[in-house]
Amino acid sequence: EVQLVESGGGLVQPGGSLRLSCAASGFTFSIYWMSWVRQAPGKGLEWVANIKHDGSDKYYVDSVKGRFTISRDIAKNSLYLQMNSLRAEDTAVYYCARDIQGDYIYYFDYWGQGTLVTVSS
Amino acid sequence: QSVLTQPPSASGTPGQRVTISCSGSSSNIGTNTVNWYQQLPGTAPKLLIYTNNQRPSGVPDRFSGSKSGTSASLAISGLQSEDEADYYCAAWDDSLPGVVFGGGTKLTVL
Repeated sequence: EVQLVESGGGLVQPGGSLRLSCAASGFTFSIYWMSWVRQAPGKGLEWVANIKHDGSDKYYVDSVKGRFTISRDIAKNSLYLQMNSLRAEDTAVYYCARDIQGDYIYYFDYWGQGTLVTVSS
Repeated sequence: QSVLTQPPSASGTPGQRVTISCSGSSSNIGTNTVNWYQQLPGTAPKLLIYTNNQRPSGVPDRFSGSKSGTSASLAISGLQSEDEADYYCAAWDDSLPGVVFGGGTKLTVL
């Protein structure tokens, strides 16, 4: 059974940092692209970043470029999101998702339960 | 302002058929396939329709998707109370590059 379990969320002050983790199990982690998707309170879904199966390619939404870094550890079957220079508008539930990617195809077939990040003084 | 445009709300009575539209552009829906996600209250999103019109295992055939040009739609027939949820369309956008979502449609079963 595919499982994605996020952790690391919490309350952080503006300008602070936080590192989210996503523990993957039930599938061969090393062959899948992975993504982070967030949802601000009462708002819609926003894709944040993704990373190729071997970590060689990464893409980010413009609003987090230069502040967030996505990474993965194949040996630990884990995905990470290092978030620096956090702003109030980064407050959201952050979901880890498994990507299915191909020619003209890109979707998320499994999602974690999410971890809440609150940026406030 | 979301890149993909959905109506904020939709409604129907049990047994009815409802459709939710999703409008994009040549760099996303016009080129790439469309996917739909269902988010029940207080839960994580779940894949509902992938590559325009495919249903994952376990999704009832009451749910169907279609795409034409730069627009897509989700149809739900035989509406049930448990279908009350938020629905999001999404696609890869070549111009960003990245995944873009619609703003979401809140479906109410009257």
